[in-house]
Amino acid sequence: DAKTTQPTSMDCAEGRAANLPCNHSTISGNEYVYWYRQIHSQGPQYIIHGLKNNETNEMASLIITEDRKSSTLILPHATLRDTAVYYCIVRVAGYNQGGKLIFGQGTELSVKP
Amino acid sequence: EAGVAQSPRYKIIEKRQSVAFWCNPISGHATLYWYQQILGQGPKLLIQFQNNGVVDDSQLPKDRFSAERLKGVDSTLKIQPAKLEDSAVYLCASSLSTALEQYFGPGTRLTVT
Repeated sequence: DAKTTQPTSMDCAEGRAANLPCNHSTISGNEYVYWYRQIHSQGPQYIIHGLKNNETNEMASLIITEDRKSSTLILPHATLRDTAVYYCIVRVAGYNQGGKLIFGQGTELSVKP
Repeated sequence: EAGVAQSPRYKIIEKRQSVAFWCNPISGHATLYWYQQILGQGPKLLIQFQNNGVVDDSQLPKDRFSAERLKGVDSTLKIQPAKLEDSAVYLCASSLSTALEQYFGPGTRLTVT
């Protein structure tokens, strides 16, 4: 079973920031927070991951609370092409060792003009 | 860099028939995964290969599903005989190692009638 809780759906206006929350209150010390998204009729796409520090890449920012029990994925300027299901996943990812990706239901983000 | 290739993209068969799906991972990726995604759900891992060896097949219904990865590159997933509940999208993914992010193919949509 997935070890994360996400809202089922969210709306966001085009050009605004999309903030997608995720609760992972039972996360272990060696588990990372991963975010993937799945655009309709495509395979999932890796977005970002982090352990305890905030992370940023060309796609998004990941903010992890100090107690690591929750996180927020931020798409700074959402476009219509960001409409997708977003999955928050916790998994072990040490040196040469990776746990399963266990997908939950995810959050269906709809970006509206 | 070329992504994960899968074929066919769509397949319709009758129950009790057999079907096979093919996956070509990203060049150099040692780890290969097959997922099943039922409509409205997140992907579920069926089997994971490290080179040509099976790492995890605990969720594979072995009475009807089989998979192989000859020579540690391409892989095939077979269902024989198919049941109605096998209707789903079958996704292939690959990664450089189990610790690193997975790249997904477009999937094969199977409909069993």
